[in-house]
Amino acid sequence: AAGVIQSPRHLIKEKRETATLKCYPIPRHDTVYWYQQGPGQDPQFLISFYEKMQSDKGSIPDRFSAQQFSDYHSELNMSSLELGDSALYFCASSLGLSGADTQYFGPGTRLTVL
Amino acid sequence: GESVGLHLPTLSVQEGDNSIINCAYSNSASDYFIWYKQESGKGPQFIIDIRSNMDKRQGQRVTVLLNKTVKHLSLQIAATQPGDSAVYFCAETTSYGKLTFGQGTILTVHP
Repeated sequence: AAGVIQSPRHLIKEKRETATLKCYPIPRHDTVYWYQQGPGQDPQFLISFYEKMQSDKGSIPDRFSAQQFSDYHSELNMSSLELGDSALYFCASSLGLSGADTQYFGPGTRLTVL
Repeated sequence: GESVGLHLPTLSVQEGDNSIINCAYSNSASDYFIWYKQESGKGPQFIIDIRSNMDKRQGQRVTVLLNKTVKHLSLQIAATQPGDSAVYFCAETTSYGKLTFGQGTILTVHP
C-alpha cells in the first residue's frame, strides 16, 4: 500500500539558511500534520492542514511556515535556520480531521543545521 | 498544558515473554489514545488505539487497556519477538486530531 512520502530524507544547512521540506500524503488523504522530533525526544506537533486550510497550530516558530496545495501535498518552509532546528521532521496524513482518523507517518526528513 | 508521559523509559524482556508498557496521561478530555512503535530511523508506526469510552481493546498480539479513574494507559504485547524491539510512544488526541506524545519507552527483546 502507498505510504506517506517525504523529501528530502536528509538535509544539511548552514545557520541562517532556508529549507523546504515536502510531504506527499497517502492518496485520498485530505489532512496533513507536521511534527518535530529532537534527539531522544517525543514528536512535537507543529501544524496541520485539512482540505488545504490550516486546521491547528502548535509550537511552530514564526520563522516556519507551511501550506497544503491543491493536490494535498504539503510543504514546510523554514527560514533563518538555527542550530536548535536540527531534528527529525515527520509528516503524517489521515483521511479526516478527527481523533478517530488514524495518522500515518512518513519516514521523516533529518535536518542538520551546522 | 496537558501532557502524556511514561513511567518506565526502558524495558528489557526475553523473547517469548509478555511485555507491558505503561503510560500516564493528564487530559481527561481526550477522545482517543493511541500507541505508536518507532524503529530507529523510521517514522512512528500505528499499533492500536482506544476510544475514551472503552477500557480494553485487542489487536493481533497486542492489547491496550485504559483506566480513566487513574488516567493510565498500557500496551500489552504477547509473546514478544526480537522484531518488537523499538521505542513505543503513547499519544492522545485533541478534537482536531493533533497528537500529544508521551516520553517513549525503549523495548529491547533478547533472543
